Amino acid sequence: AIRMTQSPSSFSASTGDRVTITCRASQGISSYLAWYQQKPGKAPKLLIYAASTLQSGVPSRFSGSGSGTDFTLTISCLQSEDFATYYCQQYYSYPRPTFGPGTKVDIK
Amino acid sequence: EVQLVQSGAEVKKPGESLRISCKGSGYSFTSYWISWVRQMPGKGLEWMGRIDPSDSYTNYSPSFQGHVTISADKSISTAYLQWSSLKASDTAMYYCARHRYGVISDFDYWGQGTLVTVSS
Repeated sequence: AIRMTQSPSSFSASTGDRVTITCRASQGISSYLAWYQQKPGKAPKLLIYAASTLQSGVPSRFSGSGSGTDFTLTISCLQSEDFATYYCQQYYSYPRPTFGPGTKVDIK
Repeated sequence: EVQLVQSGAEVKKPGESLRISCKGSGYSFTSYWISWVRQMPGKGLEWMGRIDPSDSYTNYSPSFQGHVTISADKSISTAYLQWSSLKASDTAMYYCARHRYGVISDFDYWGQGTLVTVSS
């Protein structure tokens, strides 16, 4: 199975900060990479698919980049509603997609 | 509006059976695969398996193969996740999620989750 890692595992940030989360795959996955946001007690929400395509309705302050094994999620100007846990997911390998362990963003 | 609505929380004893459901609406249920995802308390997301509601073809993660069964009833636009013999380690939140496109896909819509608690 393809293993996904994320860094950092957690960090504190302030409203208005530019933040970047990194996701790495154990082998090449082309651009078959999605990012999800999960708030406590809620279901995950799709933010980005195909590594860099913004899901409909998601604010443009979110962006994704990368291909192959290394990917990033960037929030250009952190808002109060963005404090959450973020997961990457590869869907390159059939039949088994895998998620990263998550990155928790909390308030500094 | 696309919606996936899951059945309510369950409290069961070890060894008991259980089936939870996920009802799709607002789209053609048979046109999109459905996956099930587990989240144990305080932990991350784990893909369990998927089903094509048009013909009930399924794939399972090796971690869950043989312990759960995924099924669907397309006549009522509902997918199911079931256990024949629960363990305490099955205590978790379970989500269903719709594939955005095809079998190899991210998940664009999620159910609200079903909390399963297994305790003696």
